[in-house]
Amino acid sequence: DIQMTQSPSSLSASVGDKVTITCRASQTIGKYLNWYQQKAGKAPKLLISVASNLQSGVPSRFSGSGSGTDFTLTISSLQPEDFATYCCQQSYTTPYTFGQGTRLEIK
Amino acid sequence: EVQLVESGGGLVQPGGSLRLSCAASGFIFSTYWMHWVRQVPGKGLVWVSRISSDGSGTSYADSVKGRFTISRDNAKNTLYLQMNSLRPEDTAVYYCATGVGSLGDWGQGTLVTVSS
Repeated sequence: DIQMTQSPSSLSASVGDKVTITCRASQTIGKYLNWYQQKAGKAPKLLISVASNLQSGVPSRFSGSGSGTDFTLTISSLQPEDFATYCCQQSYTTPYTFGQGTRLEIK
Repeated sequence: EVQLVESGGGLVQPGGSLRLSCAASGFIFSTYWMHWVRQVPGKGLVWVSRISSDGSGTSYADSVKGRFTISRDNAKNTLYLQMNSLRPEDTAVYYCATGVGSLGDWGQGTLVTVSS
């Protein structure tokens, strides 16, 4: 199975900060990397698909990049509603696998 | 508006069975691949299974292969997960979700607890 490793596992930041979360795959996955946001007690929400495709309705402060094994999610200017857990997922091959998540907290 | 509503969760003893359902509305269910994903509260997401739009193709995580069966009834706009030989480590919130690779829409989840 393809292992997905996210870093950091947690992050403290302030409103207005720029934040970058990384996701590394244990083997090449092309651009088949998706990012999700999950708030406490809620289902995940798809933010970005195939590495950099911003989903409809997702603010443009979110962006994704990368290919092969290394990927990043960037939030250009944190807003209060962005404090949540972020998770990557590879859809290159089944079994699809998720990263362990990055918990983004208010500093 | 896409709606996915899971049901069928609950408390079951180890070795027991449960069938989860996911009722879909607001989109053409028969054209969408569907997934089950689970999450132990406070932990990460784990993909469980996938089924093609017409039900002819399925995939499973190794941890559930041979015990869980995904299926769908396109006439009833409903996705199912038959879970047999349940283990305590199957305890989790189970979500259904749409998509081929990326999972675009999710239900609210149903909690399955396996305990004696």
